[in-house]
Amino acid sequence: DAKTTQPPSMDCAEGRAANLPCNHSTISGNEYVYWYRQIHSQGPQYIIHGLKNNETNEMASLIITEDRKSSTLILPHATLRDTAVYYCIVMIGISSGSARQLTFGSGTQLTVLP
Amino acid sequence: DTAVSQTPKYLVTQMGNDKSIKCEQNLGHDTMYWYKQDSKKFLKIMFSYNNKELIINETVPNRFSPKSPDKAHLNLHINSLELGDSAVYFCASSQVFRNQETQYFGPGTRLLVL
Repeated sequence: DAKTTQPPSMDCAEGRAANLPCNHSTISGNEYVYWYRQIHSQGPQYIIHGLKNNETNEMASLIITEDRKSSTLILPHATLRDTAVYYCIVMIGISSGSARQLTFGSGTQLTVLP
Repeated sequence: DTAVSQTPKYLVTQMGNDKSIKCEQNLGHDTMYWYKQDSKKFLKIMFSYNNKELIINETVPNRFSPKSPDKAHLNLHINSLELGDSAVYFCASSQVFRNQETQYFGPGTRLLVL
């Protein structure tokens, strides 16, 4: 799976958009970009994923550049509860009946400030 | 109605003891995982089971033995506990849809070996 690079930490004001970047310059054509987060003392939580199109769900938006070498996770209106470590993970598609380990890097510590 | 549950949440024990951690998921998923998060917060895969069959077995001491009595349960038994086993252990389950996998994590079991 392709390696990812994220800034170690970011701050964001409450109510503002949080934009978390991720570089994955060695991504291959059949690899997806996944985002998970881990709020302190909790298990990791799935946020969103995409292949090449931008994606949006109730939690966040994912913007993937046209060359797919980087992406940005957007939390449109950050709240204090969004303070967490955010992990960008690149993973190849899998077939049902198999498993893939999530390779967690060090992620970005997002701190939402009041 | 917790999706992925683990027991116990905390486990404090003496070196040399044998202990088990239990995991249950009520999501109907076929695949379950054990991850270990050490003091530096890195999450690493340990094992994965699909339909009660072991499919991922990372380099883990054979003191660790997973057991899946049915596809909703994946337990982790640890023999002869060592100080270095102190960590947070997360169970996860996953579903695959159109070759895209989403993993759902439990709340973690905090193991402290004295």
